[in-house]
Amino acid sequence: DAGVTQSPTHLIKTRGQQVTLRCSPKSGHDTVSWYQQALGQGPQFIFQYYEEEERQRGNFPDRFSGHQFPNYSSELNVNALLLGDSALYLCASSLWRGGAKNIQYFGAGTRLSVL
Amino acid sequence: SQKIEQNSEALNIQEGKTATLTCNYTNYSPAYLQWYRQDPGRGPVFLLLIRENEKEKRKERLKVTFDTTLKQSLFHITASQPADSATYLCALDMTGGFKTIFGAGTRLFVKA
Repeated sequence: DAGVTQSPTHLIKTRGQQVTLRCSPKSGHDTVSWYQQALGQGPQFIFQYYEEEERQRGNFPDRFSGHQFPNYSSELNVNALLLGDSALYLCASSLWRGGAKNIQYFGAGTRLSVL
Repeated sequence: SQKIEQNSEALNIQEGKTATLTCNYTNYSPAYLQWYRQDPGRGPVFLLLIRENEKEKRKERLKVTFDTTLKQSLFHITASQPADSATYLCALDMTGGFKTIFGAGTRLFVKA
């Protein structure tokens, strides 16, 4: 049973470019959350997708957008990259059971470097 | 302002001792508090979850306490081993919300 898989593992971009990161959730999971983790910091919540809709968003600008597909996989898009966007981007999946807190399973992340 | 604070300095302990990590929060009313382990270059791994109406939770060598009056959680690893060396993250979830709010983590080193 595959866990959460993310691709690519590493990415180097230049300022102003756009990037797309991909996530396949753990088998049986229907909810995907994205986090940004800067060096030495904890993960910061970007947004969560459920039933192909963005359900909640953290304090990130509109340059950050996402999508969830019918098979529950998800993409994170970042436009007009800034140096400060350099970070580890983590995807976490869970199964929504309505109200109860469900365990999140994290992927290994995509390391994005913006030059 | 809202804050989650974990010991920013690394914790160094000897193998076999009990490691105690602290998580304090301000201006949050979490419904749940979680602890995760993160190894370098890897994603966080869930360890324990405790609800606001629970005082203590145990799992094997791990113990978590949750004091909503003090706004503090303590995370204990008993009989620590070098393999326990990692960064430990505290995280909060609010009622009715979907986002998890993480602290910056505490780095633990267990020496043989």
